[in-house]
Amino acid sequence: AQTVTQSQPEMSVQEAETVTLSCTYDTSENNYYLFWYKQPPSRQMILVIRQEAYKQQNATENRFSVNFQKAAKSFSLKISDSQLGDTAMYFCAFMKHKNSGGSNYKLTFGKGTLLTVNP
Amino acid sequence: DTGVSQNPRHKITKRGQNVTFRCDPISEHNRLYWYRQTLGQGPEFLTYFQNEAQLEKSRLLSDRFSAERPKGSFSTLEIQRTEQGDSAMYLCASSLLYYGYLNTEAFFGQGTRLTVV
Repeated sequence: AQTVTQSQPEMSVQEAETVTLSCTYDTSENNYYLFWYKQPPSRQMILVIRQEAYKQQNATENRFSVNFQKAAKSFSLKISDSQLGDTAMYFCAFMKHKNSGGSNYKLTFGKGTLLTVNP
Repeated sequence: DTGVSQNPRHKITKRGQNVTFRCDPISEHNRLYWYRQTLGQGPEFLTYFQNEAQLEKSRLLSDRFSAERPKGSFSTLEIQRTEQGDSAMYLCASSLLYYGYLNTEAFFGQGTRLTVV
């Protein structure tokens, strides 16, 4: 079974600054996907960024980038130029790759990090 | 609105009553998932459908829970004889699997918050 650990229940950052959210995971799989999802207050969860484990290059999406360390089983999210709209709960999540057997593609989530961006 | 829709948004019920939630996925999505999120926790997988077939149920889904997806469109999640421990946010998500390839992005609804008193 896979587990995802987010060790920072809450974080805060000043607007326009950079913040890094931590995530570690445990799996015996070699191929998988990792995600960061954002859940704003009273809004639906949306995908921020995803990483395929077999890709060496770290994923980036505009102001969002990840630091994927496969050997260390670490997957941190860096948010640059933080904006007030980035205030949300951020969840790190794991999904087995189809080639790892099983095709349910369910997500295993961490407990989340509440990020507050201060003006 | 072409997103995932869940109704109702909030439900307060007395212990022992039955409740039913509805999820309308994105129309072309053939995969539909239910998750439960309790306070301070991340979402936990409950069950999923591919089209109308329910293919997996978590051990979290006791006999009091039942889910359906008739005709592979909307889905309902029913909880019978509700207990206080059922209080949670119930999230629905959908995604598209085609020719064995999954678009790994799951699209979530806003959830139904259940409070059992």
